Amino acid sequence: DTAVSQTPKYLVTQMGNDKSIKCEQNLGHDTMYWYKQDSKKFLKIMFSYNNKELIINETVPNRFSPKSPDKAHLNLHINSLELGDSAVYFCASSPLADYEQYFGPGTRLTVT
Amino acid sequence: SQQGEEDPQALSIQEGENATMNCSYKTSINNLQWYRQNSGRGLVHLILIRSNEREKHSGRLRVTLDTSKKSSSLLITASRAADTASYFCATPNQGGKLIFGQGTELSVKP
Repeated sequence: DTAVSQTPKYLVTQMGNDKSIKCEQNLGHDTMYWYKQDSKKFLKIMFSYNNKELIINETVPNRFSPKSPDKAHLNLHINSLELGDSAVYFCASSPLADYEQYFGPGTRLTVT
Repeated sequence: SQQGEEDPQALSIQEGENATMNCSYKTSINNLQWYRQNSGRGLVHLILIRSNEREKHSGRLRVTLDTSKKSSSLLITASRAADTASYFCATPNQGGKLIFGQGTELSVKP
């Protein structure tokens, strides 16, 4: 009955590699998000999609590319990983942009 | 720039005591939301208060909103060890982007 799920939960990889994180929600929400949480727990939005359309694209390196195959899925692909990409990445969804958001369990990415 | 800022950054209390956390924000809002994050977990939505509301309750949680002072507070009454977590306030901006504060780390000692 998981509302928002992410895979994998942990991801350890070397600099320069390309990796993807998958997110799925079964809440029927139209809006999905990707957030990055740093080591000081500061949470910053990266992207937002509404019904498969990109609506928020924060200033993140273009090595990060979101893809939404349908409104229930929002995946995050990261090229040429760098040490500074190490963080916890959260996916979230909401019925409308201003409403409460439902978060996934997070993916802890460690780049070595 | 960061919209919400919580105060205090860390709070340690005994079980049974009340915990109060404050949040300040900078621009006009439609609503303000509070979230809880247990260690190693995702954020959980606690309560949403709209800009035309002054107070809202949910179980042991009480949230107030003062739009004239651009501030909100979260009160947890009769705290339990299970309330130990980080608490974040968040406000949506005009583009629908949710801006989070730095959070308050609450520790409730049994």
